[in-house]
Amino acid sequence: AQSVTQLDSHVSVSEGTPVLLRCNYSSSYSPSLFWYVQHPNKGLQLLLKYTSAATLVKGINGFEAEFKKSETSFHLTKPSAHMSDAAEYFCVVIRSSNTGKLIFGQGTTLQVKP
Amino acid sequence: EAQVTQNPRYLITVTGKKLTVTCSQNMNHEYMSWYRQDPGLGLRQIYYSMNVEVTDKGDVPEGYKVSRKEKRNFPLILESPSPNQTSLYFCASSSNLDRLSNQPQHFGDGTRLSIL
Repeated sequence: AQSVTQLDSHVSVSEGTPVLLRCNYSSSYSPSLFWYVQHPNKGLQLLLKYTSAATLVKGINGFEAEFKKSETSFHLTKPSAHMSDAAEYFCVVIRSSNTGKLIFGQGTTLQVKP
Repeated sequence: EAQVTQNPRYLITVTGKKLTVTCSQNMNHEYMSWYRQDPGLGLRQIYYSMNVEVTDKGDVPEGYKVSRKEKRNFPLILESPSPNQTSLYFCASSSNLDRLSNQPQHFGDGTRLSIL
């Protein structure tokens, strides 16, 4: 069965320093993975997606993620954090394309300090 | 503009008073789904619908009903709300083509329900 684990519930970085949000997945076949961001009182915005093409995926706002099958990981990174990056981030795997069910990680809250 | 619209965005109500959260999409999508978001649990699927008049349970359907009489609308109904249904709710939609090719779904902005 597909599942995702976000390894940190809270990450704090200083503005201008790198961001690393960790996600491990479990899947019995080649998964489709996404990262979504949720700003306070806002909906979910897709940051990037991996659907078995290039293993290094570039998203919006300077974020990228690397799919590593050997490590079953899909960590989200950004070279330099901006204050506007403060939000909650979700790693998501598709449980079943038949039912369309998405499996969400528990979420990681990113705090960016000035 | 392609969008998924939920109403209301915020609602405070009391136990037992029936309520409906509406969800409408303007993309002619066949697939629609409801999720609830709770701290530390991410989002969990409540119900989904493959097309008009076709609905099925997700992981946490207890206490909820849905209907899909028209393609664009997928209302979530709480017949007798209870405090444990206090949560943030999201509606999502997708074309069947995108769903079957594992493409991302489109999400609404969320509805925050507080049941006292």
